[in-house]
Amino acid sequence: SQQGEEDPQALSIQEGENATMNCSYKTSINNLQWYRQNSGRGLVHLILIRSNEREKHSGRLRVTLDTSKKSSSLLITASRAADTASYFCATDIGTGANSKLTFGKGITLSVRP
Amino acid sequence: GAGVSQSPSNKVTEKGKDVELRCDPISGHTALYWYRQSLGQGLEFLIYFQGNSAPDKSGLPSDRFSAERTGGSVSTLTIQRTQQEDSAVYLCASSQVRRSTDTQYFGPGTRLTVL
Repeated sequence: SQQGEEDPQALSIQEGENATMNCSYKTSINNLQWYRQNSGRGLVHLILIRSNEREKHSGRLRVTLDTSKKSSSLLITASRAADTASYFCATDIGTGANSKLTFGKGITLSVRP
Repeated sequence: GAGVSQSPSNKVTEKGKDVELRCDPISGHTALYWYRQSLGQGLEFLIYFQGNSAPDKSGLPSDRFSAERTGGSVSTLTIQRTQQEDSAVYLCASSQVRRSTDTQYFGPGTRLTVL
């Protein structure tokens, strides 16, 4: 079973709107990371939030983490057509050199111009 | 190099043949990872290398899969006697070290199609 599961599976919005994507996980984490994947390309790291952090910002991105609910959300404000991509949450679990990053199945975001 | 590179970008092979996929990590990165991404699925961890330590092979799905990393740099993922279910995009990533806070930098992937 997936450690991290994103919701919704697909999201279609109009340019300028905000996009909210959610991720739930099962076990305790060291940190949670969000990645973006454009069609036919590798993944690009967007933002990392540690287990002792609750909110983090990077440009138009805002990530929240609720460890009591084992969930995270990624908010993209004022979306652009170029934000169209798949977004993955990845949870880092384990300790030290045994820590491992586990990815969810991803959310497909379509931003209509 | 400027980023992680992988070759070939696309590989079509017949069932039963062996294939080799190559990954060139970012220069100076000691940690290297292989993942498999099947259609509509997340990334499945395959294997991890860290410096001269024994690799973590816990994600390899069968003994047909193997990987090596020569000189602590370039890595090759080999799939023997390929099966149709091996069709997927194989992604390589590298990071400076294996720390939970380290960003992984991904290559563009190799799309493998087994006919």
